[in-house]
Amino acid sequence: AQSVTQLDSQVPVFEEAPVELRCNYSSSVSVYLFWYVQYPNQGLQLLLKYLSGSTLVKGINGFEAEFNKSQTSFHLRKPSVHISDTAEYFCAVTTFSGTYKYIFGTGTRLKVLA
Amino acid sequence: EAQVTQNPRYLITVTGKKLTVTCSQNMNHEYMSWYRQDPGLGLRQIYYSMNVEVTDKGDVPEGYKVSRKEKRNFPLILESPSPNQTSLYFCASGGLQGKRHIQYFGAGTRLSVL
Repeated sequence: AQSVTQLDSQVPVFEEAPVELRCNYSSSVSVYLFWYVQYPNQGLQLLLKYLSGSTLVKGINGFEAEFNKSQTSFHLRKPSVHISDTAEYFCAVTTFSGTYKYIFGTGTRLKVLA
Repeated sequence: EAQVTQNPRYLITVTGKKLTVTCSQNMNHEYMSWYRQDPGLGLRQIYYSMNVEVTDKGDVPEGYKVSRKEKRNFPLILESPSPNQTSLYFCASGGLQGKRHIQYFGAGTRLSVL
């Protein structure tokens, strides 16, 4: 079975500062990894994905994530955040099996302060 | 425009009164799924469907039913809603980009069971 852990439930950060949102996963098989963003009162939007290949993945809005197989991590980073990045961020995994059952983390609320 | 459409967006009901939340996608995706989002718990998968007439349980299927009689629609049915089903519900559809599976989310349905 797979699991996803987002240790930080809330991350406050000042505008223009860098940020890292942590995600660790557990799986006995190969996985696909995703980060989704949810702005207030909206649905989820795909931010970026790791499927295979390069371990550094670039997404929308200047975000990037690095897949680290040995540490089973997929941390999300942005070098300089904006007020508009205030949102909840979810890490998710699914396996390469044909069922595409998704497991989500509990979310990290990023609050960017002026 | 590619869309996953859920209706209604907001619903207040009473315990025991059957309800259906509809979900429709226009991307010809084979995969569709329902999630519920609760504070501190992230998103949990209720049911998913790999194709027409093929459905399977996610992590929290109790109290819910689904059907997939046609590719574009995947309604979520609560036969006898209870207050613990008060939640924010998301429908998603997914398809293959090459060999990679990507998921798209609807805007959500906020359900309150009194």
